[in-house]
Amino acid sequence: EVQLQESGPGLVKPSQSLSLTCSVTGYSITSNYWGWIRKFPGNKMEWMGYISYSGSTSYNPSLKSRISITRDTSKNQFFLQLNSVTTEDTATYYCARYDYGSFFDYWGQGVMVTVSS
Amino acid sequence: DIVLTQSPATLSVTPGESVSLSCRASQGISTSIHWYQQKSNESPRLLIKFASQSISGIPSRFSGSGSGTDFTLSINRVESEDFSVYYCQQSYSLPRTFGAGTKLELK
Repeated sequence: EVQLQESGPGLVKPSQSLSLTCSVTGYSITSNYWGWIRKFPGNKMEWMGYISYSGSTSYNPSLKSRISITRDTSKNQFFLQLNSVTTEDTATYYCARYDYGSFFDYWGQGVMVTVSS
Repeated sequence: DIVLTQSPATLSVTPGESVSLSCRASQGISTSIHWYQQKSNESPRLLIKFASQSISGIPSRFSGSGSGTDFTLSINRVESEDFSVYYCQQSYSLPRTFGAGTKLELK
């Protein structure tokens, strides 16, 4: 069974970087696509970006140059880094398998990240 | 970006009723729409892919229809476990976008 689990700090200071890890079991990240999605307070959902089986990436333009998604295939993990965070980046962050770039069929449990001084 | 407008924002029903939730796209997107259910404190769950294709393990009371700009998620005879928030998501173009959600609540 495909399982994903996010990990990382729950509190980040403004202007710092947010870094999260998604650990995947039951499926190799060298197959398919893998994405990050966040849900803001108030329920708005935002697709942040993905990394593909080959390591190519695509990001939401709304995040401009602040975002980076990378991976460690030896550990079957992929990562999210979001730079220069503000309070508007406070959200629950999910990693998910992104079935060939269409829909998200397996999700992590989510990690709530608060940006506050 | 493609904007997905879900309506209504909240739908109050009693168990046993059948309901339809709407998702309208700002431009034609063929059948590139997917539906999710999210219960409180849980991760989203994929219900329907590509507008009408069923997902293994999802109860048959959930069905989807539509193409182009107008899409519908139907729940035949709502059960108590169905009270949650429902989202649509498009995969027609980048960036992928989600609707704002419809909350299905107990009347």
